[in-house]
Amino acid sequence: GQSLEQPSEVTAVEGAIVQINCTYQTSGFYGLSWYQQHDGGAPTFLSYNALDGLEETGRFSSFLSRSDSYGYLLLQELQMKDSASYFCAVRENTNAGKSTFGDGTTLTVKP
Amino acid sequence: EAQVTQNPRYLITVTGKKLTVTCSQNMNHEYMSWYRQDPGLGLRQIYYSMNVEVTDKGDVPEGYKVSRKEKRNFPLILESPSPNQTSLYFCATQPGGPRKNIQYFGAGTRLSVL
Repeated sequence: GQSLEQPSEVTAVEGAIVQINCTYQTSGFYGLSWYQQHDGGAPTFLSYNALDGLEETGRFSSFLSRSDSYGYLLLQELQMKDSASYFCAVRENTNAGKSTFGDGTTLTVKP
Repeated sequence: EAQVTQNPRYLITVTGKKLTVTCSQNMNHEYMSWYRQDPGLGLRQIYYSMNVEVTDKGDVPEGYKVSRKEKRNFPLILESPSPNQTSLYFCATQPGGPRKNIQYFGAGTRLSVL
């Protein structure tokens, strides 16, 4: 079957660093994406990894290990506005249409 | 302004009454998808389309239909809605080429089926 696992909740304080892990088991794998969603609003794209290693975009970084079927999203210098849900998603086929999302991690940033 | 527009944003209906949720994009993107999101769960893909007249099932297609007659539009049709289809629905688009891994989401449609 297809499944992605990520922690349901994470809490951290302003200014800290937090890591959200994602392990996956899918029928195909062409890349791992991360999305942010505030309070049921539209998810927004954060990062994508197709190859092993680290991708950095400002305060956000994403890592992928294909051999371990594992990735993580790293958020640095946490701000209150980072309180949101974060979803990992696997692209499953070559034509990029098929995607499977994890159930999401709710991040709460405390002052 | 680049947009993915869903209508309606909120809908309350009754069991069995056919409805259509529209999705329109002005970005000339190749791919379009429909997702549903239920409390505590991630987005589950209902259908996706790779181009005009090309669609395929996602993980939860039962009870839904789609069509892609024009590149910009991808309506979601519920022929006979049931209460278990009460959910938050998102339309998403993806460009082709090197940015095809980025999905752009509409604002969502909250559907209640009584």
